[in-house]
Amino acid sequence: AQTVTQSQPEMSVQEAETVTLSCTYDTSENNYYLFWYKQPPSRQMILVIRQEAYKQQNATENRFSVNFQKAAKSFSLKISDSQLGDTAMYFCAFLGTSGTYKYIFGTGTRLKVLA
Amino acid sequence: DAGVIQSPRHEVTEMGQEVTLRCKPISGHNSLFWYRQTMMRGLELLIYFNNNVPIDDSGMPEDRFSAKMPNASFSTLKIQPSEPRDSAVYFCASSRGGQGNQPQHFGDGTRLSIL
Repeated sequence: AQTVTQSQPEMSVQEAETVTLSCTYDTSENNYYLFWYKQPPSRQMILVIRQEAYKQQNATENRFSVNFQKAAKSFSLKISDSQLGDTAMYFCAFLGTSGTYKYIFGTGTRLKVLA
Repeated sequence: DAGVIQSPRHEVTEMGQEVTLRCKPISGHNSLFWYRQTMMRGLELLIYFNNNVPIDDSGMPEDRFSAKMPNASFSTLKIQPSEPRDSAVYFCASSRGGQGNQPQHFGDGTRLSIL
């Protein structure tokens, strides 16, 4: 069974600094998708970035980028130039392609950006 | 495009009452997901529909929970009778097709409190 682990329950970062949130997963599949979602206090679940396992190039969306290490089954999120609005829970999610469409979510990392 | 629309945003009711949560997916999306989020258990997938047909309801906690999708633009999640342990935030999400390269888009959630 697939599992997703986020080992950092809470993190903080100074405004304008860079922070990296870690995510590891376990799967026997070769092709799959990985996502980072952001949940601010307003409780919306907002898609931040996604990565397809067959793509070697790391995904980037403005200040957000990932470090995808397929062999190590690692999918970390880097937030550059952190802003107060980045304060939120961040969830890593795995989606396999072998007939199931269930997201497997990690337990989340609560990120606080400090002024 | 309007996002996933959920109603009500908040619901407070007494134990034993019937609760109905509603969801309108994004137009053109044919996959719909109901999730429950609690501090203890994180995000749990309750049920998944594809083309209005329930595909996987293994996450539905017990017979008190039921979900329907009578058409492509509407789904309900019903709890009868409700219990205090059902208190949680319930999210609906939709995606285009069952393909992993189409991410799930979440509604704002319904915060349910059972007294």
